Amino acid sequence: AQKITQTQPGMFVQEKEAVTLDCTYDTSDPSYGLFWYKQPSSGEMIFLIYQGSYDQQNATEGRYSLNFQKARKSANLVISASQLGDSAMYFCATNGGYQKVTFGIGTKLQVIP
Amino acid sequence: DAMVIQNPRYQVTQFGKPVTLSCSQTLNHNVMYWYQQKSSQAPKLLFHYYDKDFNNEADTPDNFQSRRPNTSFCFLDIRSPGLGDAAMYLCATSRTSSDRGREQYFGPGTRLTVT
Repeated sequence: AQKITQTQPGMFVQEKEAVTLDCTYDTSDPSYGLFWYKQPSSGEMIFLIYQGSYDQQNATEGRYSLNFQKARKSANLVISASQLGDSAMYFCATNGGYQKVTFGIGTKLQVIP
Repeated sequence: DAMVIQNPRYQVTQFGKPVTLSCSQTLNHNVMYWYQQKSSQAPKLLFHYYDKDFNNEADTPDNFQSRRPNTSFCFLDIRSPGLGDAAMYLCATSRTSSDRGREQYFGPGTRLTVT
C-alpha cells in the first residue's frame, strides 16, 4: 500500500520568489517513483517532474526541482522564480504495485504579483 | 502531436440516465486509467486496463463500468448516475516500458454534471 501526505492546503508566494511544496510518502515497494503534477483551474493534470527511488541525484526540470530525502521519505517540490502562471493545485504522487499511482490531496499555490 | 483526448469536455446528464465518457490516445500506451476527481480532492482511481486486462479498484461502485475495444480507445459507462457522481473524470495512459516508470499522461478531463 502507498500513501502520500501533503500538509499544506494552501501556499502563497511572491512573484519571482522560490517556493517549496511539501510531500511525504509511505510505500512498501522497494522500488518506486515519485511524481509531481500541476492542475490549473481548467482541470488538466500536467506532469512536472519524476524521481526514481534509486536515482542518485535529485531530479530537475527547468524551474522545478525535487528535493528527495529517502531516509525521511520526503519528496518536496521546489519552484524557483515563481510566475503568475504557476498558480494552480499541485499534487504529489507515487507509483508502486501493479500500475497503481496514489495521489496526495494537493496544495493550492497562489502567486502574488 | 501525440496526446490523450477526452470527449466531451463537459457533459450534463439527468439523474438515473446512463452516460458514456470517451477517451482516446495516440501515444500507443498499453495502460489506460480512469480517475474520478471531486472538487478539492485528489484523483481517485476507478479502474485501469493493462493491455486487455481489466483491473477494478475494490471500492469502485458497480454503477461504473468500462470498455476498451482497442489500444487507442477506452470508455467509462455510468449506468445510473446519481448526484454524488458529479465530478471531473480524468483519463490517463502510461507505458510500462518507460524509463520514467509509470509516468501517466492525462487527458483534459470531462466535467460531469448530474441534474
